[in-house]
Amino acid sequence: GAVVSQHPSWVICKSGTSVKIECRSLDFQATTMFWYRQFPKQSLMLMATSNEGSKATYEQGVEKDKFLINHASLTLSTLTVTSAHPEDSSFYICSARQGRGENIQYFGAGTRLSVL
Amino acid sequence: ILNVEQSPQSLHVQEGDSTNFTCSFPSSNFYALHWYRWETAKSPEALFVMTLNGDEKKKGRISATLNTKEGYSYLYIKGSQPEDSATYLCAFSNTGNQFYFGTGTSLTVIP
Repeated sequence: GAVVSQHPSWVICKSGTSVKIECRSLDFQATTMFWYRQFPKQSLMLMATSNEGSKATYEQGVEKDKFLINHASLTLSTLTVTSAHPEDSSFYICSARQGRGENIQYFGAGTRLSVL
Repeated sequence: ILNVEQSPQSLHVQEGDSTNFTCSFPSSNFYALHWYRWETAKSPEALFVMTLNGDEKKKGRISATLNTKEGYSYLYIKGSQPEDSATYLCAFSNTGNQFYFGTGTSLTVIP
């Protein structure tokens, strides 16, 4: 149980284009989903927290207009990297939590984004 | 930003050897310590969640201990097997339910 699917696993795009990454909880309803970014040899860094039906909460230094998050249902959250540039190239990974009081996060397999 | 440190960064062991690695974390505002096992191209898999000082958890050949007063946790693998090769991540969560991750320990078990 508690499976999170993330798609795509790998994407290459041209500078200036937008990329959408999907995160789905397959066998549970996720009241909260999280988006992390990982640069080489660094730890997972939280970008934003999204609760179903409300606006995402972004961490300091993360541009909300650049990284659009939509959590329209209890099983789907999307992250759109708008007007991607080479410095946005990174590993993006989502996680989901079943209930607000639950302290376990279940992860997708991540998306490797390369912006040319 | 809270500092969660894992050591070593990587290690190679022979099949059958036992090994252990460390996660150190801030002891203030502690809520839980999480260990994940992360194989390449897969989702991190939750191994343990520990909340109480002195907690010990075991899953097969893998076990973990927790010391919240001094801010560290150990993960032990007994009789390592090639399928144990993965990156082992720890994460500290605080009373605000925010997760802070270490950079992981990459384990390679040589057959």
